[in-house]
Amino acid sequence: DIVMTQSPDSLAVSQGEGATINCKSSQSILYTSNNKNNLAWYQQKPGQPPKLLIYWASTRESGVPDRFSGSGSGTDFTLTISSLQAEDVAVYYCQQYYSTPYTFGQGTKLEIK
Amino acid sequence: QLQLQESGPGLVKPSETLSLTCTVSGGSISSSSHYWGWIRQPPGKGLEWIGSIYYSGSTYYNPSLKSRVTISVDTSKNQFSLKLSSVTAADTAVYYCARSSRGAQDYWGQGTLVTVSS
Repeated sequence: DIVMTQSPDSLAVSQGEGATINCKSSQSILYTSNNKNNLAWYQQKPGQPPKLLIYWASTRESGVPDRFSGSGSGTDFTLTISSLQAEDVAVYYCQQYYSTPYTFGQGTKLEIK
Repeated sequence: QLQLQESGPGLVKPSETLSLTCTVSGGSISSSSHYWGWIRQPPGKGLEWIGSIYYSGSTYYNPSLKSRVTISVDTSKNQFSLKLSSVTAADTAVYYCARSSRGAQDYWGQGTLVTVSS
């Protein structure tokens, strides 16, 4: 199985400031045939299902604010929130869908400082 | 707007079989572009992918659960189902059904809590 490791486990950022969450896979999740990284980011608020934010490591899902961006390739990936809003308080998960079993990171809890 | 809704018992006894159904509305489960799957989340913990199914019936399972899991599809009812046998307390979780597009899960049900207890 591909192991996904996120850092940090928790993060407190002032409103309006930027936040960065990292995700590392135990092996490359880049499909060389189409040059796409099979990596997604999800946001989960209490009592709600996860919401897809980013797929293919850097493509924003329709309707997701542009303050959310994804980057990285191969084994190292980053989710960046450019200006934290109160509604961004949540747990964030990365997921690889390069090979089954699809696996998630352990989650990063983002709070307002 | 596509919607997914899980249904099934909220309480299952140890050693019995957990059975859940996901009803898809606002779209066809027979779409050639999508897979349909199950993900679970134990209380206060992270997400675990259980498995996926294509409308044709092709399945992919998590090897950690493979011996106990069956996912099936009923295109006539626009539903797909999960069966997990020989459950223990470790199977207590919120179970989500979801659609996969381009691999990532883009639509999720609200989830249903299944507790394993006698």
